[in-house]
Amino acid sequence: AQSVTQLDSHVSVSEGTPVLLRCNYSSSYSPSLFWYVQHPNKGLQLLLKYTSAATLVKGINGFEAEFKKSETSFHLTKPSAHMSDAAEYFCVVSLYGNKLVFGAGTILRVKS
Amino acid sequence: DGGITQSPKYLFRKEGQNVTLSCEQNLNHDAMYWYRQDPGQGLRLIYYSQIVNDFQKGDIAEGYSVSREKKESFPLTVTSAQKNPTAFYLCASSKGQALYSNQPQHFGDGTRLSIL
Repeated sequence: AQSVTQLDSHVSVSEGTPVLLRCNYSSSYSPSLFWYVQHPNKGLQLLLKYTSAATLVKGINGFEAEFKKSETSFHLTKPSAHMSDAAEYFCVVSLYGNKLVFGAGTILRVKS
Repeated sequence: DGGITQSPKYLFRKEGQNVTLSCEQNLNHDAMYWYRQDPGQGLRLIYYSQIVNDFQKGDIAEGYSVSREKKESFPLTVTSAQKNPTAFYLCASSKGQALYSNQPQHFGDGTRLSIL
């Protein structure tokens, strides 16, 4: 069965420091993977997606993620956090028929 | 601009009442989805529809019903059988199904349902 585990429920960083949000997945085939961001009382916005092309994927707002098959990981990073990055982030794996399996989410707090 | 519109933004339900959440998209997407979001649990799939006049149950369909009479519309009814309906409900759409599809889903801004 396919599943997604986000290793941290909360991450706190200072503005201007790097961001690392960790995600491990399990899948019986080569998956499509996504990161979404959700600001309070809003829908989810796509940050980036991995679809078996380049293993380093660049997304919007300076975020990127690296697909590591040997570690079954798809961690999200950003070199320098901004106050506007404070939100909840979801790692997602896509199944047959475009059904999505969501991780439980990581809440990112950015301190000034 | 194309997108997904959910209404109302806030909804209150009385005991024994059915309520309907609206979801409309103008992206010309074939597939539409309904999710329920509870704190700390990510999103869980309620129902999805790949084409007009067809839909399938997701992981937590009990107490909910849907219809798909038009491509752009996918309303969700929360029935009185759903004993714990308080949650944030999100509608999404995508270009359609394919084996190991890599199409991202686009989301509306949600409806927050509470019990009176």
